[in-house]
Amino acid sequence: DAGVTQSPTHLIKTRGQQVTLRCSPKSGHDTVSWYQQALGQGPQFIFQYYEEEERQRGNFPDRFSGHQFPNYSSELNVNALLLGDSALYLCASSSHTGAGTEAFFGQGTRLTVV
Amino acid sequence: GNSVTQMEGPVTLSEEAFLTINCTYTATGYPSLFWYVQYPGEGLQLLLKATKADDKGSNKGFEATYRKETTSFHLEKGSVQVSDSAVYFCALIGGGDNQGGKLIFGQGTELSVKP
Repeated sequence: DAGVTQSPTHLIKTRGQQVTLRCSPKSGHDTVSWYQQALGQGPQFIFQYYEEEERQRGNFPDRFSGHQFPNYSSELNVNALLLGDSALYLCASSSHTGAGTEAFFGQGTRLTVV
Repeated sequence: GNSVTQMEGPVTLSEEAFLTINCTYTATGYPSLFWYVQYPGEGLQLLLKATKADDKGSNKGFEATYRKETTSFHLEKGSVQVSDSAVYFCALIGGGDNQGGKLIFGQGTELSVKP
């Protein structure tokens, strides 16, 4: 079992550009959540996808969007990048069986905006 | 809204010392509580969890008890090792208006264990 895999591992972008991050969930999981972790902070919830729809969203602007595919993998897109978007982006997968279900995290994508 | 507060770090201990990292939460209803660990340059790994009041989660010598009366979930280990050096995050899911699987994290506590 490969667990949750994210790509790429590291990424450097210029302000104003757009970026796409990818996530493959753990086998058997159908729900994917994305988190942003700024340096020295705890992860902040961006949004969650289940059955190819955004189910919950955190306090992030519309520049942050996502998608879930029929195979449960997911993408996070960020448009018009700002310096403040520099962070570790974490993907977590889980099974949609309600609160308390364990979430498994990927290694993350380190995004640097210059 | 729901929130999690952890003791500030960094925490520096000698090997074999006793560890306590405090965590308190604010939530309506009955959230599930978690401790995650993040080693340098890596993602988060679930360390332990508790899903109802008075439950004790344990793993790798770490323990935490879900105390609803004090809204706390303090992490403890009797004898830390250098390999325990990492950042520890307390988190909750569910409870009141936080349904649907959104994890809410504390700010993290960095632990450094010296030989």
